[in-house]
Amino acid sequence: DQQVKQNSPSLSVQEGRISILNCDYTNSMFDYFLWYKKYPAEGPTFLISISSIKDKNEDGRFTVFLNKSAKHLSLHIVPSQPGDSAVYFCAASASGNEKLTFGTGTRLTIIP
Amino acid sequence: GAGVSQSPRYKVAKRGQDVALRCDPISGHVSLFWYQQALGQGPEFLTYFQNEAQLDKSGLPSDRFFAERPEGSVSTLKIQRTQQEDSAVYLCASSLLAGGPYNEQFFGPGTRLTVL
Repeated sequence: DQQVKQNSPSLSVQEGRISILNCDYTNSMFDYFLWYKKYPAEGPTFLISISSIKDKNEDGRFTVFLNKSAKHLSLHIVPSQPGDSAVYFCAASASGNEKLTFGTGTRLTIIP
Repeated sequence: GAGVSQSPRYKVAKRGQDVALRCDPISGHVSLFWYQQALGQGPEFLTYFQNEAQLDKSGLPSDRFFAERPEGSVSTLKIQRTQQEDSAVYLCASSLLAGGPYNEQFFGPGTRLTVL
């Protein structure tokens, strides 16, 4: 039972354009959401997060949007840069629970 | 400063062998997590420690998997009688505090286990 889903295994975007990565979840207990970025042979690194009391959080080129009614979140990267090429994981957690539930990841390729 | 380190980085085991995977968290970090990442999948939670106490082991797939953190710093994940389905990357993460996912988890590079 995949509680966090990333339905696009891969995405290619031209440098300078906007990258939009999507994530859906099924567990209504989830109230905290995170995006992690992963380069080959390295562990995931934290990128940005959002609490369920918000619908948007922005950090530089990265913005995460949360639509609770649709159980959907998205990560926007603008402008996209070659160094953004990586696998992006969406993760979720419920209050009082330390563990993260991850999606299967989306491989983003930025085309110079 | 040093991040989370894991050893070995790669391990090949014959089916039925026991293996031990080590995690050195960031110094002073209270929380430690183990995740299993199969090929083409996202990391899946295995177990969680707060200092030396193992507070959640709900993700351990069978009683062949055992984790410990006896002094509240270094942790070892042990897999007994390895099976082919145990082949995966095992990720360790630590966070400074306890009390929820708001505390950033810092991941190590992982140990890639291949069971032949």
